Amino acid sequence: AQSVTQPDIHITVSEGASLELRCNYSYGATPYLFWYVQSPGQGLQLLLKYFSGDTLVQGIKGFEAEFKRSQSSFNLRKPSVHWSDAAEYFCAVGASNTDKLIFGTGTRLQVFP
Amino acid sequence: DAGVIQSPRHEVTEMGQEVTLRCKPISGHNSLFWYRQTMMRGLELLIYFNNNVPIDDSGMPEDRFSAKMPNASFSTLKIQPSEPRDSAVYFCASIQPGLAGGPYFFGPGTRLTVL
Repeated sequence: AQSVTQPDIHITVSEGASLELRCNYSYGATPYLFWYVQSPGQGLQLLLKYFSGDTLVQGIKGFEAEFKRSQSSFNLRKPSVHWSDAAEYFCAVGASNTDKLIFGTGTRLQVFP
Repeated sequence: DAGVIQSPRHEVTEMGQEVTLRCKPISGHNSLFWYRQTMMRGLELLIYFNNNVPIDDSGMPEDRFSAKMPNASFSTLKIQPSEPRDSAVYFCASIQPGLAGGPYFFGPGTRLTVL
């Protein structure tokens, strides 16, 4: 069965600093991987996704993520964080034979000015 | 398109009462998902439908929970009787056919408080 682990519950960074949010997945075949962001009181919005091909994927708002099969990871990065990036971030895994997505427990990002 | 629409946005009820949450997916999306979000458990998939048919309801907590999708444009999640531990934010999401076809579109959620 698919599963996703986000080891960091809460991360605090200063505005302008770089960011990396960790995500590890468990799946027997090639996974479909996603990062979503949730602002307070809102639903989730897709940041980026990986299905195949180039293992470094670019998303919206200046985010990128790298798929590393050997480490079963799909970490999210941003070179310079803005105060508006403060939100909760969810990693999710799916597969080609299902529409079902399994979400991690989320990482709450706090940004200090 | 107005996106995924959920109602009500907030619901406060007393233990033992029946609660009905509603969702209207994006037109043309043929899969619909109900998720529950709590601090303790994160986002849990409760049930999902494909072409109005329930495909996987293994996440439904117990018999007090039921979900229906009578047509392509409407779904309900019912809790009867409700309990305080059901307090959570309930999200509905829809997608076009196949994950590769596009992302999940989430509704704004219904915040349920059971007193």
